Amino acid sequence: AQSVTQLGSHVSVSEGALVLLRCNYSSSVPPYLFWYVQYPNQGLQLLLKYTSAATLVKGINGFEAEFKKSETSFHLTKPSAHMSDAAEYFCAVSPAWGKLIFGQGTELSVKP
Amino acid sequence: SQTIHQWPATLVQPVGSPLSLECTVEGTSNPNLYWYRQAAGRGLQLLFYSIGIDQISSEVPQNLSASRPQDRQFILSSKKLLLSDSGFYLCAWSDKGSTDTQYFGPGTRLTVL
Repeated sequence: AQSVTQLGSHVSVSEGALVLLRCNYSSSVPPYLFWYVQYPNQGLQLLLKYTSAATLVKGINGFEAEFKKSETSFHLTKPSAHMSDAAEYFCAVSPAWGKLIFGQGTELSVKP
Repeated sequence: SQTIHQWPATLVQPVGSPLSLECTVEGTSNPNLYWYRQAAGRGLQLLFYSIGIDQISSEVPQNLSASRPQDRQFILSSKKLLLSDSGFYLCAWSDKGSTDTQYFGPGTRLTVL
């Protein structure tokens, strides 16, 4: 069965530092992969998605993620953290048509 | 452009009372619709999904039910709420396309006392 693992339920970085949020997936077929962001008491907003067109995917707010099939990973990065990036981030895989499986989420804190 | 609405935004209900949460989508037709629950610190759990009117699948056995009386309307219900039904309920939609991107509503915070 497909699954998603996000390493680290909480990540803290300083403003201006690199953001790295880790996501590993298990899938028997090349998947579609997604990163979503959730601000407190709000719904999820799509950051970016991988659909096999290119391994490096650029998203909104300066985030990007790289699909590495050999490592079954889809880590999310941003070169320089901003205070407004503080939120919870979810990685998800689409194992079958119309469904998403989410990781448990990583809460990102940004220190001034 | 497409928009998704959920109401109410927050709800406090006593144990044993009924529940009705509503979700509507604008700007698209024949979408897939989804209900998720997000309990504190537990990620998102898919509760129901629907590919069309009166076509609903349940992902987990539970105290809740869903209905889709119109193409772009999705309702989550319960006859008698339990304490464990507390959580943040999210509705989402997707096109019947190839990338399965889901777009989420603003959510409903349900507290059962």
